[in-house]
Parts: sequence; C-alpha cells; structure tokens
Amino acid sequence: NAGVTQTPKFRILKIGQSMTLQCTQDMNHNYMYWYRQDPGMGLKLIYYSVGAGITDKGEVPNGYNVSRSTTEDFPLRLELAAPSQTSVYFCASSTQGANTEAFFGQGTRLTVV
Amino acid sequence: GDSVTQMEGPVTLSEEAFLTINCTYTATGYPSLFWYVQYPGEGLQLLLKATKADDKGSNKGFEATYRKETTSFHLEKGSVQVSDSAVYFCALRFGSQGGKLIFGQGTELSVKP
Repeated sequence: NAGVTQTPKFRILKIGQSMTLQCTQDMNHNYMYWYRQDPGMGLKLIYYSVGAGITDKGEVPNGYNVSRSTTEDFPLRLELAAPSQTSVYFCASSTQGANTEAFFGQGTRLTVV
Repeated sequence: GDSVTQMEGPVTLSEEAFLTINCTYTATGYPSLFWYVQYPGEGLQLLLKATKADDKGSNKGFEATYRKETTSFHLEKGSVQVSDSAVYFCALRFGSQGGKLIFGQGTELSVKP
C-alpha cells in the first residue's frame, strides 16, 4: 500500500525561485494537511483541506499556496522562495473525526540558498 | 489558543531504563490525544492514542493515560531498547476545524546500549 506519497524527497532552491511540492494519497481520505517541521519547533500547519475544492489556512500560510482539485492530490506551491522557507515539509491525510489516525508522507527536505 | 507542551530533549537513557516523556495541553474543549513517533529520515507514525478522559492508550510497550484533571498525557515505557531511539511528538485533535492536529515541539530520545 502506497499511503501518502510526497515528491521530491530533497530539493535545493535559489532565492526567488518557485516550486511545487507534490502530495498524493490512495486511501480515499477527505482530509489532507501540509506541515513544516523546523528543529525544536515541532510541526506547524501551513494549509489544510477537508475535501476536493475546499482549502483553508493553517498557522503559517504566508508564502505558500495550495489547491485541491481531486480527493487524491494536494500540491503545495512556493512562490518566490526565501531562506525562511528552508524546512522539512510533511503532507498528511486522514478520515473525518477527532480520534482517527493521520497518515504522513516521508517528507520533503527543502533548502533555499 | 489550543496548544501542547512537551518536556525538552534530548533525553538520553541506557537500555532497559524507564522512560517518561511529559506532555501537557491547553484546550477549550475535550480533544483526542495522540503520541506520534518519528524514526530518523522518516515521516511520523501513530504510536498510541486516547479519545476521552481516563482512557489509556498502549502500543509496543508504551503507555499514556488521558488525565483531564491535570491536562496531561505523559508517555511511559518500562524498559527502553536501542530501537526506541526516535523523536516523539504529543498532539491533540478536535473533530471540528478540519480535524487538524496540534503538535508539541517533539522530544528526542536516544537509547545507548
């Protein structure tokens, strides 16, 4: 079972460049999330989606955009990359409900130089 | 706002030692509580969960009890192994607001032979 798949695993960007982090899940989950993980800071929510065509901002959305055209895919777009966006990015998905498990991808390590 | 606080790491233990990682939360309602584990180079995976007060979650020798009176969900294991070396995250979740997980900052555990 593939679960949640993120691509790429690693990427180096120059300041001002843009890129899209891909995330796809094969579990038919309605809920999908993007988090960033910085050392000693835990995971911070960037954007989330409760279904196709519906997205909402999380805690740290500035500098990012998302779309959700299908249940399976939830890409994260970085426009005008900045050094502050150097981080590890995780995509996750789950079914609805407070007590259900969220499944995480392997992460994308992004460095902006 | 809702938040989770974990004891700071890194925590270094000898094999077969007793482990406690403290976690406390602040929430306006009654969330579900989770412990996730992140092994080196991997994404997060669910370790255990509890969905209401006095529930005990357990898995792989780890345990945590949902204590509403102290707003705590401390992780314990009676005898750690080298293979338990990882980063542990405490998190809370409500069914509303897109079911987003709110994470603590993570606690790194290193177990020495």
